[in-house]
Amino acid sequence: AQSVTQLGSHVSVSEGALVLLRCNYSSSVPPYLFWYVQYPNQGLQLLLKYTSAATLVKGINGFEAEFKKSETSFHLTKPSAHMSDAAEYFCAVSYAGGTSYGKLTFGQGTILTVHP
Amino acid sequence: KAGVTQTPRYLIKTRGQQVTLSCSPISGHRSVSWYQQTPGQGLQFLFEYFSETQRNKGNFPGRFSGRQFSNSRSEMNVSTLELGDSALYLCASSFTSGRSDNEQFFGPGTRLTVL
Repeated sequence: AQSVTQLGSHVSVSEGALVLLRCNYSSSVPPYLFWYVQYPNQGLQLLLKYTSAATLVKGINGFEAEFKKSETSFHLTKPSAHMSDAAEYFCAVSYAGGTSYGKLTFGQGTILTVHP
Repeated sequence: KAGVTQTPRYLIKTRGQQVTLSCSPISGHRSVSWYQQTPGQGLQFLFEYFSETQRNKGNFPGRFSGRQFSNSRSEMNVSTLELGDSALYLCASSFTSGRSDNEQFFGPGTRLTVL
């Protein structure tokens, strides 16, 4: 079964510090991977996606993620946190074909807090 | 281009009632997916519609249903509401279906409270 695990439900960093949000997936076939961000009382906004074209994916707002097949990971990073990065982040996976039409499977989310 | 819109944004219902939520996708998008978001269960897939046909369904009881119209707008209905149906219901649209690298664009959600 498809599953996504986000390690750490809460991550706290200081402004200007490195942001690292962890995501691991379980799959026997290559997945497509996404990171979304959700601000309070809003829907989800796509940060970046991995679709096998390149293992290092750059997204919006200075975020990037690296796909590591050997570790089944797709961790999200940002070199320098900004106060406006405070939000909840979701890792999601989808698979080609079969019963996967239009379905994203999400991790439980990581709330990022940024301290001044 | 206008984004995904969902109406209403907030709803309060009582147990046993039914509710209909509406979603208008981005112009040109033909696939609409619905998700339920709760603190306990997180984000869970409800169903996906493409060209007025349900292509995929999540693990929810039959009280949850949906449909899509010829203009790609979609509605979801929940009958015989239970307290546990209180959630944020998110709609997402994408250009097509069957391609798992499709980006899904999310609306702001409808916050349903069941009393």
